[in-house]
Amino acid sequence: DAMVIQNPRYQVTQFGKPVTLSCSQTLNHNVMYWYQQKSSQAPKLLFHYYDKDFNNEADTPDNFQSRRPNTSFCFLDIRSPGLGDAAMYLCATSSRDRGRGTQYFGPGTRLLVL
Amino acid sequence: AQSVTQLGSHVSVSEGALVLLRCNYSSSVPPYLFWYVQYPNQGLQLLLKYTTGATLVKGINGFEAEFKKSETSFHLTKPSAHMSDAAEYFCAVSTQGGSEKLVFGKGTKLTVNP
Repeated sequence: DAMVIQNPRYQVTQFGKPVTLSCSQTLNHNVMYWYQQKSSQAPKLLFHYYDKDFNNEADTPDNFQSRRPNTSFCFLDIRSPGLGDAAMYLCATSSRDRGRGTQYFGPGTRLLVL
Repeated sequence: AQSVTQLGSHVSVSEGALVLLRCNYSSSVPPYLFWYVQYPNQGLQLLLKYTTGATLVKGINGFEAEFKKSETSFHLTKPSAHMSDAAEYFCAVSTQGGSEKLVFGKGTKLTVNP
C-alpha cells in the first residue's frame, strides 16, 4: 500500500542535542509538509516543500530546519531542542496537480526532550 | 483569509446515539473541506472530503458530512456511535486552485460512553 512512513515513532533527546526526524513516502507526491502538534491542539504547519521549493512559515523558529534530498524523503532537523519542542511531529504529503488539497499523514514521531 | 471554527472542544455521546460534530468555515473563494480523525499517538486519517459535486459526502467508518454553502457549514454526522469512534476530529479547509496548505479547526474530542 502507498503510504507515508515516519521514523522513529518515538524519539528521546537531551536538551540542546541536535535531533533529526525522517519521513518517506511511496505516493510520489510533489508536496511534503512538516507539522508540530502539541497536546490537545491542532497541527501547526512548520514548513513545506513543493518539489525542491522550500516554503517556511513566518513563525517557524530558526531552530527548525528541513531537507528534501529527493521526492521520497524529507527530514526535520531540530538544531538545539528545548523543553518546549517536546511534541508530536507529523509529516504529510499531497499532490498539487491531482489531490485538490488532500493531505495524507504519517503516523507521527513523538519527541521527548530531557 | 480562511478560517475554521469547530463548536465544542469536547462532545460526549452514548454508544448507539447520533454523533454530530459541528464545523463552520470562512473562505472568500470556493473551499475544499476535509474531516480528519486522530486516535491517540497516531497521525491524522482522512475521514472524508468535499471538493466539488454532490454536497452530501460519505466517508469511512459510517461517517458523512454535508456541505451547506448558505450556512458555511460542513458538519460531520454518524447515525450510531461505536466505542471505536472515540478520538479527536479535525475539520480543515483549503481553497480550489490555491495554496496547498490546510487551515485546521481546533479539534473536537469525541467520547463514547457505554
